[in-house]
Parts: sequence; C-alpha cells; structure tokens
Amino acid sequence: SYDLTQPLSVSVALGQTARITCGGDNIGRKNVHWYQQKPGQAPVVVIYRNSNRPSGIPERFSGSNSGNTATLTISGAQDGDEADYFCQVWDSSTMLFGGGTNLAVL
Amino acid sequence: LQLQESGPGLVKPSETLSLNCLVSGGSINNNDYYWGWIRQTPRKGLEWIGSVFHSGSSHYNPSLQSRVSVSVDTSRSEFSLKMRSVTAADTSLYFCVGLRTGSYVADYWGQGVRVTVSS
Repeated sequence: SYDLTQPLSVSVALGQTARITCGGDNIGRKNVHWYQQKPGQAPVVVIYRNSNRPSGIPERFSGSNSGNTATLTISGAQDGDEADYFCQVWDSSTMLFGGGTNLAVL
Repeated sequence: LQLQESGPGLVKPSETLSLNCLVSGGSINNNDYYWGWIRQTPRKGLEWIGSVFHSGSSHYNPSLQSRVSVSVDTSRSEFSLKMRSVTAADTSLYFCVGLRTGSYVADYWGQGVRVTVSS
C-alpha cells in the first residue's frame, strides 16, 4: 500500500514561516490535499490539488508538490494556525491520509 | 451544504454499527460529489471507510471492504454506513463527508459522531 509520511510535530515562532512535509513515493505525480483540524472540530481543507486555496482560506497558506515530497507552507504563522494538519491523496481507488502533524506556534 | 450524522453511540461487539448522514442545503444528487465515511482515532489517525455516488456505485477501503457497506437513499437525502462484526478496534469518531469527484478532496464534513464498541 502507498504510505504518506508526516513529521509528528512542527514548531514555528509567531509570524515566521512553517513548512509541513508529506512524503510519499513519487508523490509529485499525485494530487495532494491538506486539511487543518483544531481540537473538537472536523478537518477543513486548506489546500486542494497541491496548491489551490479554497475561498475563505488566508493567502498565507500555500502548497507545493514535487518528487517525493509535498509541502504545506504557512507564511507569517498566527496563533490561530495551531492545529493538526493532514495530507491526503487518492491512490489505487483508495483515499489515503498522512499520520498528521501538530503545529505549535511559539 | 451541511452534513449531519446520526446513530447509536454504543454498539456491542460482534453486532452491526449503523450510521446515517443527512445532506441539507444542497442536493444529494449532485454529480460533483461522492458521499462517504471517514473515521478517526488517536492511534490510527484518519481512515477512509468508503464512498457512494448518488447512482449507488461505491468504493471501499480494501482493509474494511469485507464487512462494510455504504448506501444512499436519495428520496430521504441520506446516505448510510453499515459495519458488521464490530470489535473494540472499531471504536472511533465517525465523520460523514462530501468528496469532490475527480479530485476526491473532502470539501464537506459532518461534526462527527463518537461510536464506542463495548458490551
């Protein structure tokens, strides 16, 4: 089966840039989606199809995908960005998620 | 578009878990969306269970395929999950979702319903 690997945690200073990675074999050939989940809430899409931002998501969220790594970048991280972030792909007729990364804003 | 799960919060081992999801604020016959179920545990994270189109065609997670079914009732604007022979490992937070066709991104999520498997 196809595995998606995310770091368990990432920390970033307030106002700085956070980068959360999602590793997978030739993931650059797939569409990667990113979700943000805050405690007690359902996940919310922050990036879809690698680099597209849904309406209502701040411009500080961006995504890229190449080779074996997809990256979610949060430029100028805010307190409200503290959350768990999950990457997701569709592979071999199966929806797959990364294990999730907890973002701490210091 | 809103999704709302319903169903028992407690199921006995070996029995069948049954959940429903009501689609409101939009049409369940929307060709742009599949309707599906995802569950979440602290240990396993997010796990896709299966999805169904309004026509009834469905896809399932291979690891669960033998004991789950997802069906749709367009007249009631609802879709459902049935999971047979549950064990404690099926204790989880269950979300119903709307998945965009083509990209399979979960644009819409219900609030989630916690299901515990215990005698």
